[in-house]
Amino acid sequence: DAKTTQPPSMDCAEGRAANLPCNHSTISGNEYVYWYRQIHSQGPQYIIHGLKNNETNEMASLIITEDRKSSTLILPHATLRDTAVYYCIVFSGGSNYKLTFGKGTLLTVNP
Amino acid sequence: SQTIHQWPATLVQPVGSPLSLECTVEGTSNPNLYWYRQAAGRGLQLLFYSVGIGQISSEVPQNLSASRPQDRQFILSSKKLLLSDSGFYLCARAGIGDTEAFFGQGTRLTVV
Repeated sequence: DAKTTQPPSMDCAEGRAANLPCNHSTISGNEYVYWYRQIHSQGPQYIIHGLKNNETNEMASLIITEDRKSSTLILPHATLRDTAVYYCIVFSGGSNYKLTFGKGTLLTVNP
Repeated sequence: SQTIHQWPATLVQPVGSPLSLECTVEGTSNPNLYWYRQAAGRGLQLLFYSVGIGQISSEVPQNLSASRPQDRQFILSSKKLLLSDSGFYLCARAGIGDTEAFFGQGTRLTVV
């Protein structure tokens, strides 16, 4: 019962920006948008999160539309090591929340 | 520290044998704890989550059970494993005020 929709796969050339979209049209007012990625056989790695403002950190940028129904994760200069499954999830923080993942997007960075 | 200890890393078990996977966490007290399973080529499926000692919520009917005997200990068990129980099992934690969830390195279970 994931609340997000992502394309199953995307390709990107090494050194170029990777833009990963996510739809979350039923997001509620107190839910954040989180992005994780999972490299094969490892636990998911946190990337970034946001509520309604755009966010940037050393790994990526997160652009959230004004109506908050969709967002885009941007990896500004993709490398081969960025090849992974990227998960977009929505949930509210606090003491009682359920963390549910969808199927994610397999990003393949090509040389 | 937000460390999660999960062991073993890999496990091969015969059908019908019991299972016990343990997850222990460090960091803030009273964290939310989660067990996930990932079948080959599939996404992360939430199996159980716990908001406190002795409090377990099951997300899907299955051959597995979970227990939380201590605040920072979460155990995944089965009395008799099935072939379909094979997969990659991940433990995760998130505490009050945490801005993210933290994952262990996982246990790859193969039931033969």
